[in-house]
Amino acid sequence: GQQVMQIPQYQHVQEGEDFTTYCNSSTTLSNIQWYKQRPGGHPVFLIQLVKSGEVKKQKRLTFQFGEAKKNSSLHITATQTTDVGTYFCATLRTGANNLFFGTGTRLTVIP
Amino acid sequence: DAGITQSPRYKITETGRQVTLMCHQTWSHSYMFWYRQDLGHGLRLIYYSAAADITDKGEVPDGYVVSRSKTENFPLTLESATRSQTSVYFCASSGGQGLGQYFGPGTRLTVT
Repeated sequence: GQQVMQIPQYQHVQEGEDFTTYCNSSTTLSNIQWYKQRPGGHPVFLIQLVKSGEVKKQKRLTFQFGEAKKNSSLHITATQTTDVGTYFCATLRTGANNLFFGTGTRLTVIP
Repeated sequence: DAGITQSPRYKITETGRQVTLMCHQTWSHSYMFWYRQDLGHGLRLIYYSAAADITDKGEVPDGYVVSRSKTENFPLTLESATRSQTSVYFCASSGGQGLGQYFGPGTRLTVT
């Protein structure tokens, strides 16, 4: 079935440093969604990418979908303590109308 | 605007008991989902529903039952709770296939 692998599993950064998490697949993906979950909270939908090579920005967050549609990345510029949480990628399962979620990258920001 | 709510937020039950977790959304979203979240496993889909009276199994459906008689409600029942069902359960809804999902606050269930 459709699967995505996320790396790294954990990331500690100093406040102000950049952060990137990657979502990789061995097969072509129809879409990629990104979610953020704060500690003790629930996942919150951030964005969806569907086109090859697509790049979208939300303030300090930059989302990319690879040209081959097999990988995606989320980059945060100049992290802040409010960026703490776990970032999940998710993709539509092939032939189904539900999502497969990656295992997430847990970001810790050290003040 | 309540969005999507879950009840109870916390529940402790004993092995073998039946438990029902409630989910209610006010957006009239057609799709609704139940996930469980466990350390080391991320979010795993239990059941989902594309519309009222239509439900389908996810990755880990065993031991769970769902129903969807109304668009806005999607209860999840553990017929005979087991310790392995101790988890955080999230309900989510979506306006259409492949669209972003909106999650409820979660129910933390402990089975003793």
